[in-house]
Amino acid sequence: DTEVTQTPKHLVMGMTNKKSLKCEQHMGHRAMYWYKQKAKKPPELMFVYSYEKLSINESVPSRFSPECPNSSLLNLHLHALQPEDSALYLCASSQGAGGPVEQFFGPGTRLTVL
Amino acid sequence: GESVGLHLPTLSVQEGDNSIINCAYSNSASDYFIWYKQESGKGPQFIIDIRSNMDKRQGQRVTVLLNKTVKHLSLQIAATQPGDSAVYFCAEIANSGYSTLTFGKGTMLLVSP
Repeated sequence: DTEVTQTPKHLVMGMTNKKSLKCEQHMGHRAMYWYKQKAKKPPELMFVYSYEKLSINESVPSRFSPECPNSSLLNLHLHALQPEDSALYLCASSQGAGGPVEQFFGPGTRLTVL
Repeated sequence: GESVGLHLPTLSVQEGDNSIINCAYSNSASDYFIWYKQESGKGPQFIIDIRSNMDKRQGQRVTVLLNKTVKHLSLQIAATQPGDSAVYFCAEIANSGYSTLTFGKGTMLLVSP
């Protein structure tokens, strides 16, 4: 299995809602990532988890809260988002420290904040 | 901060032509580069990579060239097909141990039949 899956594919939420994005991989990768991508722009790194521990937070607002319950799962909890947070949220994984650096990306969750 | 950039935002070619997508990078400490293809509504897909100790790497219909002297990276696609239409990003790996990618701006490749 060389696939990263993400659910849901699309999400529409209001500014007072709480929702979660989910990401899963079964490649045995130990590094997982969240990226945000606006239209016609490159992906921007948000968070990096290495061996289930948060290792990088790229100064992301606290209304985005990542969680890594186990080595295969990565969640992004959303609360009190702003319309400007509307974007494609991409999850990726790579083997981890010392292994190949190639990152495998999921299809993304298209988020719209009303 | 340092970033990876591209010269051309859109490249239009005819089916069967060879395509060349360029990328300039500024971080001389980067030692690994990747080209990704992103089709509409999908996540980036790995195409080919190259380490800084190489100047050329070939895959199936694709070739990546690295010129460290001028900090330039290119992706060549031979016999371009309509299915190659997508946005292409170059990305460099920061030497951080966590494989953090810095993406370039992207080039839209449009292939006409």
